[in-house]
Amino acid sequence: EVQLVESGGGLVQPGGSLRLSCAASGFTFSTYWMSWVRQAPGKGLEWVANIKKDGSEKDYVDSVKGRFTISRDNAKNTLYLQMNSLKAEDTAVYYCARGYVNGVPWFDPWGQGTLVTVSS
Amino acid sequence: QSVLTQPPSVSGAPGQRVTISCTGSSSNIGAGYDVHWYQQLPGTAPKLLIYGNSNRPSGVPDRFSGSRSDTSPSLAITGLQAEDEADYYCQSYDSGLSAWVFGGGTKLTVL
Repeated sequence: EVQLVESGGGLVQPGGSLRLSCAASGFTFSTYWMSWVRQAPGKGLEWVANIKKDGSEKDYVDSVKGRFTISRDNAKNTLYLQMNSLKAEDTAVYYCARGYVNGVPWFDPWGQGTLVTVSS
Repeated sequence: QSVLTQPPSVSGAPGQRVTISCTGSSSNIGAGYDVHWYQQLPGTAPKLLIYGNSNRPSGVPDRFSGSRSDTSPSLAITGLQAEDEADYYCQSYDSGLSAWVFGGGTKLTVL
């Protein structure tokens, strides 16, 4: 069974940093693009970042460029999201999601999410 | 303001049929990019419901179907059941933004 399990969320002050992790199992992690998608409380879904199978290509939504870094460790089957200079508007549930072997046409499946709260 | 536009809410009685539209523009749906649909049950993560405009992943009931016409694809749900109460999101790619984009979501209420 394909499984994605996020961790690392929590309460952080504005301007602070946090690193999210996503442990993957049940599929060959190194052969899939991976993504992060977030959902602010009571709001809709917002794509955050993608990373290619070997980590050589990365894409970000404009609002996080220069502050967030997506990375992966294929030996550990783990996806990461390093979040720096956090703002209140980054408060959201962050979901890890699997793309496809040749890109990210859609997101499937999704992890259960981890909540990030940016507040003083 | 979402790049893709969906109605905020739809409703229907058990057994009825409802449709949810997803309107885009020339830089996303109108440019030919595929549309995908997700179901988010209360308190849970989104789940892929339809991919590539009209394809159902294994395990998704055939009561759910996707269609596409120009810049306004839609999701249809027939034989409504109480368990279908959820938020539904469409998703595509926008070449102008170089970003993967979602609709604002539609809350389905089964009366």
